[in-house]
Amino acid sequence: QKEVEQDPGPLSVPEGAIVSLNCTYSNSAFQYFMWYRQYSRKGPELLMYTYSSGNKEDGRFTAQVDKSSKYISLFIRDSQPSDSATYLCAMSAGLTGGGNKLTFGTGTQLKVEL
Amino acid sequence: GAGVSQTPSNKVTEKGKYVELRCDPISGHTALYWYRQSLGQGPEFLIYFQGTGAADDSGLPNDRFFAVRPEGSVSTLKIQRTERGDSAVYLCASSLRSLAGGEQFFGPGTRLTVL
Repeated sequence: QKEVEQDPGPLSVPEGAIVSLNCTYSNSAFQYFMWYRQYSRKGPELLMYTYSSGNKEDGRFTAQVDKSSKYISLFIRDSQPSDSATYLCAMSAGLTGGGNKLTFGTGTQLKVEL
Repeated sequence: GAGVSQTPSNKVTEKGKYVELRCDPISGHTALYWYRQSLGQGPEFLIYFQGTGAADDSGLPNDRFFAVRPEGSVSTLKIQRTERGDSAVYLCASSLRSLAGGEQFFGPGTRLTVL
């Protein structure tokens, strides 16, 4: 079993929809949680970064972390065709995890249709 | 530079050959990471440098893989006796410093194809 599980999709939604993406994990040492967006043939781009449990909002994006359930989510409001990409969750245990090495999910492929 | 750069962007080689992949991190970033991303998968950690030294190389799959960062800036990932299973995108990331939870910024990757 992988340390981080993420549904690979693909997920197809109409423009303007609210998108919900999520990951579960098994390593209770994870303290730092990130969402990256990756366009085809590009490197991952950091979208959201949270520490421990709680919510964080940035524009149309909201990240939620529930450490008790080992579950993290990313919500995208008013989705746009330009949001079509692969979304990767990533997490680290911080310094105790060997210098913040990231453990990624497989990525969820999202397509926002006109 | 403005971001992490990696060269070459694509590399095609034959089984058994030696390859070098280069990473130029964001100026001033002391922490540097290498990851490998296979098709349809998330990136997997290979090695982490803090300054010139490899602080964690636990992700290197075997002794055919080696990385250096002699002056604490540019890093080179070296793969000897390449195998078809080494085909993947090799990603480099840098971080301002290796504080707990330091944000990592990724380059565009080098797509390695071993024929």
